This record gives sequence, C-alpha cells and structure tokens, in this order.
Amino acid sequence: QKEVEQNSGPLSVPEGAIASLNCTYSDRGSQSFFWYRQYSGKSPELIMFIYSNGDKEDGRFTAQLNKASQYVSLLIRDSQPSDSATYLCAVTATTDSWGKLQFGAGTQVVVTP
Amino acid sequence: ETGVTQTPRHLVMGMTNKKSLKCEQHLGHNAMYWYKQSAKKPLELMFVYNFKEQTENNSVPSRFSPECPNSSHLFLHLHTLQPEDSALYLCASSLLDFDNEQFFGPGTRLTVL
Repeated sequence: QKEVEQNSGPLSVPEGAIASLNCTYSDRGSQSFFWYRQYSGKSPELIMFIYSNGDKEDGRFTAQLNKASQYVSLLIRDSQPSDSATYLCAVTATTDSWGKLQFGAGTQVVVTP
Repeated sequence: ETGVTQTPRHLVMGMTNKKSLKCEQHLGHNAMYWYKQSAKKPLELMFVYNFKEQTENNSVPSRFSPECPNSSHLFLHLHTLQPEDSALYLCASSLLDFDNEQFFGPGTRLTVL
C-alpha cells in the first residue's frame, strides 16, 4: 500500500513566523506533488503543485521537492491567522490508473496572534 | 456558476432511503472524481471517470452507485447506507494532463441515521 505521511499537528506558529510542513511518500515513481489547504468545514483548495526537484515559490508559499529522499515540504512565510487550516499533501500514484492522487491525512496549522 | 458545484450541501437520510448527490463542473475538464472524507482520515478516492468512462472503483460497496452521463456531470446514488457512511463527500474534476491538478467542489455533508 503506497502511503503519504504527514504529521497531524497541530503546528502552532506565531503570527509573522515561518510555518514548515513536511510530507513523505513511499511511491518512488510519483511525478506530481500537490499542497491543498482545507479550512474547517470546507473543501480542499489547491495552493501549490511541484514536479521538479528544488524549490517553487508562489507569494508567501514555497514548495520544496526532493525525490531522492522522497519528501516534499511547504513553507509559509509571514504566517497570518488566515493561514490557520489543515494542509493536505497529495501525490500522484503511478501503479494505478492515471489521475489517481494519494492524500496524506493533513497537518493542522494554528497561527497565533 | 463557476468551478465545481455540488448539491445538496447537507443531507440527512435514514438507512432505508435512496438519495442522490449531484456534481457539476464548469471548467472544461475531462475527468471527475468522488472522494469520501471522514474525520481524521485521509481523503479516500471512491470513483474516477475519464471522459465519462469509469476508470477506477476503489473497492467501494455497491450501496454507492456512480453515474457520469457526460464530462460535466457526475452523480452518486445512495441506497441502504450505514451510519458509518456519514462523512463529507467531495467531487473533484481535472484536466487529465501531466499536472492533473484536481479542483474540488464544496462537498455534501452526509449524515446517515
């Protein structure tokens, strides 16, 4: 069973600080990696995707991918209370039909004023 | 309407009822998905439709019956459900390319009494 692992948290981050979220995956053939944000009672919202080793920046968010070590991370700079949410890591599954994503259980982030 | 819409947003049903969930995407995508999200568990993929053909049935009990009449509409027919089927049911769509970014609807909160 291919797995995507995340720390469940909660990760408590002071306002203005950097939140660092990590995700490891077991399927070495995975090609695309996604970060979703999910507010309580809402549906997941795509915030970043990455498929090349290295960093990808979008505003206050930076995704980092290391395929050799099979981890992907998300940095949130200048954290705001509105960033308080659960962040889901998702990875394409290569041994199953095209289009399938495997999700981690999510990391809850709490930004404290 | 824009994005992915789902109706109803909330549903309470008895174990002997029959109901249907509806999803519609306005993004020109060619793949649609049903996911189940239970508390503290990863998103569980239920069904995948690619160009309205079912390509994935993730060992879902037969009391859940999907229907995809075209690439824009997806239904989930429910009958004789169990209380453990209570969850948030999410529909998503994507354009099946390398990135396969999936966009989610708001979900249907289902409670089975």
